[in-house]
Amino acid sequence: GAVVSQHPSWVICKSGTSVKIECRSLDFQATTMFWYRQFPKQSLMLMATSNEGSKATYEQGVEKDKFLINHASLTLSTLTVTSAHPEDSSFYICSARAEEWGTEAFFGQGTRLTVV
Amino acid sequence: DAKTTQPPSMDCAEGRAANLPCNHSTISGNEYVYWYRQIHSQGPQYIIHGLKNNETNEMASLIITEDRKSSTLILPHATLRDTAVYYCIVRVNFGNEKLTFGTGTRLTIIP
Repeated sequence: GAVVSQHPSWVICKSGTSVKIECRSLDFQATTMFWYRQFPKQSLMLMATSNEGSKATYEQGVEKDKFLINHASLTLSTLTVTSAHPEDSSFYICSARAEEWGTEAFFGQGTRLTVV
Repeated sequence: DAKTTQPPSMDCAEGRAANLPCNHSTISGNEYVYWYRQIHSQGPQYIIHGLKNNETNEMASLIITEDRKSSTLILPHATLRDTAVYYCIVRVNFGNEKLTFGTGTRLTIIP
């Protein structure tokens, strides 16, 4: 299957700072990428969908000015958590889909964000 | 997307077949059944999907009832590494259709 890589795997940051998480499709071109958030013992919650070269579509209740998503190329999408607060501490996961691989979505390994 | 219902947890002995059920009684004709699993602190992993015929791959088998209102994921010879949360998702199979995760089944393989 296709490989999706996230960086970093974990990050600790101070409250009020911004953190950028990268999601790369290593062996395919991802026309669509999805960003999820997962709190402990809960399921994945979709935050936004991004298509290369266009603005992301955010799910209801997700602040687009706080969670900035950039999908500048077919192999890279970034999620920036701006002015992070302890309640933003979570497991952030991206997934990517490419037409050549059908419609299955492939997931990155996730990024554990801890805001102190 | 149709809603799915899965048992919250299951145990299975190592080496035995693990059968994970999923109810999707409101599934519509163009919706597929997808299965993913998530091992602790990792991203979800695609397992298998199907429309109405039974499917098999190197990881698992998917049995879909004739009325398509339920399905079963079968791991034929469970190992300790199969311990994970298994998600059953139904969705249409085109375009940028998003995956909506429910609560899944926490499968524990017992030595």
